Amino acid sequence: DTGVSQNPRHKITKRGQNVTFRCDPISEHNRLYWYRQTLGQGPEFLTYFQNEAQLEKSRLLSDRFSAERPKGSFSTLEIQRTEQGDSAMYLCASSRGAGIQYFGAGTRLSVL
Amino acid sequence: ILNVEQSPQSLHVQEGDSTNFTCSFPSSNFYALHWYRWETAKSPEALFVMTLNGDEKKKGRISATLNTKEGYSYLYIKGSQPEDSATYLCAEGVRTSGSRLTFGEGTQLTVNP
Repeated sequence: DTGVSQNPRHKITKRGQNVTFRCDPISEHNRLYWYRQTLGQGPEFLTYFQNEAQLEKSRLLSDRFSAERPKGSFSTLEIQRTEQGDSAMYLCASSRGAGIQYFGAGTRLSVL
Repeated sequence: ILNVEQSPQSLHVQEGDSTNFTCSFPSSNFYALHWYRWETAKSPEALFVMTLNGDEKKKGRISATLNTKEGYSYLYIKGSQPEDSATYLCAEGVRTSGSRLTFGEGTQLTVNP
């Protein structure tokens, strides 16, 4: 068990650019989650997958955000036309069914 | 209570002190209460998951209790050590929203040697 892996750990981009983050969950976990955490706040739910199906999306996930989990293994989160308000820590978690969610160390995005 | 709330927001204690934090949550549609420990630059670490009213869990010097009827959970740390310094997050899972967790803002604990 190598844990949940997220890449990159840090990303600095200019406003208007597109960015993509990757999450590799724990191998036998069928559920994968994305959360976002801004300074002084707790993590906020964005979306989750069961295998390759995206089952729930938060209203926080605007149309500039898209997440995929094409083969039910790793997942990508893409943000198009980034804005300064997108600066945050993006956390990925995985679980077996509705069990404990195990988190990665996150990708910190800074939009200049 | 409409949201998950944690208090205090931050706490500074001396090594050896015992301390506790509070997590309040909406009790309608409650499914589970999670506690996580998050050290800077690391992954949030799951401490406890509790589902039943009256649940008590213990892991070393850390323990937690759950009251689902009144919507609160306490986390206790006995004999705090500097390595306990971290942000402690609680999160509620509810029956009507799949697997999503709703987190509080966290309690930032600093243990001074």
